[in-house]
Amino acid sequence: NAGVTQTPKFQVLKTGQSMTLQCAQDMNHNSMYWYRQDPGMGLRLIYYSASEGTTDKGEVPNGYNVSRLNKREFSLRLESAAPSQTSVYFCSSSRRTEDYEQYFGPGTRLTVT
Amino acid sequence: AQSVSQHNHHVILSEAASLELGCNYSYGGTVNLFWYVQYPGQHLQLLLKYFSGDPLVKGIKGFEAEFIKSKFSFNLRKPSVQWSDTAEYFCAVKRFGNTPLVFGKGTRLSVIA
Repeated sequence: NAGVTQTPKFQVLKTGQSMTLQCAQDMNHNSMYWYRQDPGMGLRLIYYSASEGTTDKGEVPNGYNVSRLNKREFSLRLESAAPSQTSVYFCSSSRRTEDYEQYFGPGTRLTVT
Repeated sequence: AQSVSQHNHHVILSEAASLELGCNYSYGGTVNLFWYVQYPGQHLQLLLKYFSGDPLVKGIKGFEAEFIKSKFSFNLRKPSVQWSDTAEYFCAVKRFGNTPLVFGKGTRLSVIA
């Protein structure tokens, strides 16, 4: 039982490049989330998926897109990376959005130059 | 908008000192409350959670938190900190229903010998 896994662990992009961050969970959770973590800002929600087939914007969705590929996988895409998107990205999942705590992946450290 | 406030950005304590980290939230309805910890270089882990019942909740590693509904607070405490408690601590609040967690900006704790 791996929990929540994220790939890649590290990535360096040039401004304007695109990439997809992958996230998968093996806990049969319904809800999945993408956060970014910046110094002094805590974790800010980018997008979430309450259940397979649905996605909703969080606090900071601009510049990102998501795909809930199936119940296990939830990807985050940067279409045209900007230096402001340099951050650590965390994926998490929960059994449902109601009541239950979230389980976090190890994070992806992204640098955009 | 729902918000979570953590009063201290950085706390420095000597080993064996007592710890209290403040957390206040602005939402007035039913909430679930969490404290997460992030050790250096690691992902977030759940320390403790409050859903209902006894407002004093105990978590892992000797941490506890008290929910005071009248003060919209959920402060984290530990009677005697250890060097290994050096980490960043995040308070998080979840409104009951189909909504995700909202995190505070975090408090960095440094424990010195």
